[in-house]
Amino acid sequence: EAGVVQSPRYKIIEKKQPVAFWCNPISGHNTLYWYRQNLGQGPELLIRYENEEAVDDSQLPKDRFSAERLKGVDSTLKIQPAELGDSAVYLCASSLELWGETQYFGPGTRLLVL
Amino acid sequence: AQTVTQSQPEMSVQEAETVTLSCTYDTSESDYYLFWYKQPPSRQMILVIRQEAYKQQNATENRFSVNFQKAAKSFSLKISDSQLGDAAMYFCAYRAQGGSEKLVFGKGTKLTVNP
Repeated sequence: EAGVVQSPRYKIIEKKQPVAFWCNPISGHNTLYWYRQNLGQGPELLIRYENEEAVDDSQLPKDRFSAERLKGVDSTLKIQPAELGDSAVYLCASSLELWGETQYFGPGTRLLVL
Repeated sequence: AQTVTQSQPEMSVQEAETVTLSCTYDTSESDYYLFWYKQPPSRQMILVIRQEAYKQQNATENRFSVNFQKAAKSFSLKISDSQLGDAAMYFCAYRAQGGSEKLVFGKGTKLTVNP
């Protein structure tokens, strides 16, 4: 079974530039999560999707971050414009929307904003 | 709000020895889940072990076991017969009951395994 796929693995951009991350969850997983992991910290949730619906985006900085999950499968997270403080690892995870199901993580995208 | 605390930023162990990583959490819920994830330098977060709060029996997965103390809100991870491949960041995580609730992570413990 293929795991969660993310691309790109690394991205270096200058501040004020836009950037986008892509995630393909495990087949059949209807719940998708985007987490941000700052250096030396544990991941923190940015947004959670159940199928196509964003059910928890309270931690998403909506002035510059946006996300979408078309057709309830792949998802894209965008930052525009990027700031120096956005440098982090962006992790995507997926799970079945069932009681007690485990979240499976992708390899992440390391973003460096110069 | 739920919080997870890992008080050991770094730990080291000799190969083949046993090490215990500590984790405490704060919640007012009675039903929830606890997890230990491993994150090697490649960054892939891998599930090590999980515990359902309603279960009194401590979870075990091969060389990995937990000591779950619900009243004390403590959830430690014991790694037996440590191997070089166990070197990684270890994150303790809490999740409220529900189909797709978010994970709340601690700050992690960096485990070094010495040959």
